[in-house]
Amino acid sequence: EDQVTQSPEALRLQEGESSSLNCSYTVSGLRGLFWYRQDPGKGPEFLFTLYSAGEEKEKERLKATLTKKESFLHITAPKPEDSATYLCAGKNNAGNMLTFGGGTRLMVKP
Amino acid sequence: DAGVTQSPTHLIKTRGQQVTLRCSPKSGHDTVSWYQQALGQGPQFIFQYYEEEERQRGNFPDRFSGHQFPNYSSELNVNALLLGDSALYLCASSSGQAETQYFGPGTRLLVL
Repeated sequence: EDQVTQSPEALRLQEGESSSLNCSYTVSGLRGLFWYRQDPGKGPEFLFTLYSAGEEKEKERLKATLTKKESFLHITAPKPEDSATYLCAGKNNAGNMLTFGGGTRLMVKP
Repeated sequence: DAGVTQSPTHLIKTRGQQVTLRCSPKSGHDTVSWYQQALGQGPQFIFQYYEEEERQRGNFPDRFSGHQFPNYSSELNVNALLLGDSALYLCASSSGQAETQYFGPGTRLLVL
């Protein structure tokens, strides 16, 4: 059974303090590793898709990387508006469902 | 370009009742997936519809059923509601075999 685990569960940063969020996965025949951002009471907003180990993608202050067992979401010089829950999810080679981790709740203080 | 829309936004039901949630996919998308998200947890896959048929199903009981219409919109039905069915229900749409799923704002269901 596919499994995705995110750490830490919660992370408090000062504005400008860079850090990384971890996503460990056991997904049979990974067909994609996805990162989403979710604001309270709203649906997840798509950020990145990574397909193979060594791949990196960037968007503003966010950079996602992928290894054979983990993915990292690096946040450089975060701002208060980056505060949200960040979700990662894997898709296997047997279907189309996303298996999500529990999320990391990021709080950036000014 | 309209994104994924869901209705209603909020719903309160009592145990044993039945509920129907609705989803319209993003323009150009033909595949709809439904997820249940309990408070403080990640979404869990319920099922996916493509070409008006259930293509894949997660570990949810038969009380959860769905339908997809010719215009690609979809409904999620839950019968015999339990307190544990209280959650945010998310609809996601995608295009054919494309990997990325785009989510709607969700329907918050409270079962009393």
